[in-house]
Amino acid sequence: QVELQESGPGLVKPSETLSLTCTVSGGSINNYYWGWIRQAPGKGLEWIGYIYFSGATNYNPSLRGRVTMSVDTSKNQFSLRLGSVTAADTAVYYCARPWVFWGQGILVTVSS
Amino acid sequence: DIQMTQSPSSLSASVGDRVTITCRASQNINNYVNWFQQKPGKAPKLLISTASNLQSGVPSRFTGSGSGTDFTLTISSLQPEDFATYYCQQNYDSTPYTFGQGSKVDLK
Repeated sequence: QVELQESGPGLVKPSETLSLTCTVSGGSINNYYWGWIRQAPGKGLEWIGYIYFSGATNYNPSLRGRVTMSVDTSKNQFSLRLGSVTAADTAVYYCARPWVFWGQGILVTVSS
Repeated sequence: DIQMTQSPSSLSASVGDRVTITCRASQNINNYVNWFQQKPGKAPKLLISTASNLQSGVPSRFTGSGSGTDFTLTISSLQPEDFATYYCQQNYDSTPYTFGQGSKVDLK
């Protein structure tokens, strides 16, 4: 059974960069797309983007310019970086193998 | 971007009720719609893919239908474990893969 686990700081200061990693276990990262989705407190779901195991990416235009995804096949991990964060970026961030397998989510709060 | 408009945003129902949630896309998306169930503090769970394909392990009381711009999720007989928020999502050719705003089903 594929399992995903997000990790990273739970608190980020405004204007800084949010960095999260998703570790995949129970299966290989190869030959799949991997995605990030977020959910602001009490709000709906927002697709951030996806990365293919080869490194090809597709980002939500609303975040383009601030978001970068990368993959490390040797570690079975993929990562998200979101720059110039504001309070509006406070959310639970989920990693997923679209769309069956999801991580449990990690709350990231943007605050000084 | 393709907009997904869900209705109702919330509904109150009783165990055993038939529940229907609709989702309308702002353009033709063929059958590229997924339905998710989300319970508080949990990740979304995929129920139905490509409009009508029930995922393994999902009870048969859940059905999805529709194509083009109009889609429906039906729960034939609501069970206690079905009280949750439901989201539609389009994953048509063009990104971003947008979600509906959610439909919360609670106990009447």
